[in-house]
Amino acid sequence: DAGVIQSPRHEVTEMGQEVTLRCKLISGHNSLFWYRQTMMRGLELLIYFNNNVPIDDSGMPEDRFSAKMPNASFSTLKIQPSEPRDSAVYFCASSLQGWSYNEQFFGPGTRLTVL
Amino acid sequence: SQQGEEDPQALSIQEGENATMNCSYKTSINNLQWYRQNSGRGLVHLILIRSNEREKHSGRLRVTLDTSKKSSSLLITASRAADTASYFCATDEGSNDYKLSFGAGTTVTVRA
Repeated sequence: DAGVIQSPRHEVTEMGQEVTLRCKLISGHNSLFWYRQTMMRGLELLIYFNNNVPIDDSGMPEDRFSAKMPNASFSTLKIQPSEPRDSAVYFCASSLQGWSYNEQFFGPGTRLTVL
Repeated sequence: SQQGEEDPQALSIQEGENATMNCSYKTSINNLQWYRQNSGRGLVHLILIRSNEREKHSGRLRVTLDTSKKSSSLLITASRAADTASYFCATDEGSNDYKLSFGAGTTVTVRA
């Protein structure tokens, strides 16, 4: 298996533009996590899906952020409109079942820069 | 807020030496995990220790857990240059088993 796949790996955009980040889960995994990593705030959980259903989106910063899971193997995180403070590395991670006793497999991340 | 906090923030050692880092957390947990992150990469799971376990080994890694002190330690023995990375502890939040809270990490540099 190729592991969790994220695209793009790097994204540079201007303030106000829409940004879409993509994630492909490991085959057979049924849980998906989107994280954001910054120097100031560390690694923060944005949203958690289990069996394609959003279970916890309390970490989504504001309405500009939205996430979908149109099928069992794919997810998108959209920021519209983007702002400079959204600059960060965004990771998705997948696991079986989603319970914490199962390890999470992280993708390589998308480094987002909003100018 | 972060549940786990690592100490020290940074550690520099000579190849072959042991590296020890600690993690403290605030509330009761079901288990604690350690992850490694190489520069520019995603996190990689290293080891999980359950709340009813006190010590666990995996290769050159040794993890301890003291639930009475709400702390854990990660020991890397006979370090190698390839161990240069940031190390994070991750704890669940008890009732929300799926939710992992990551600490700020310990950055380990192994000098050749």
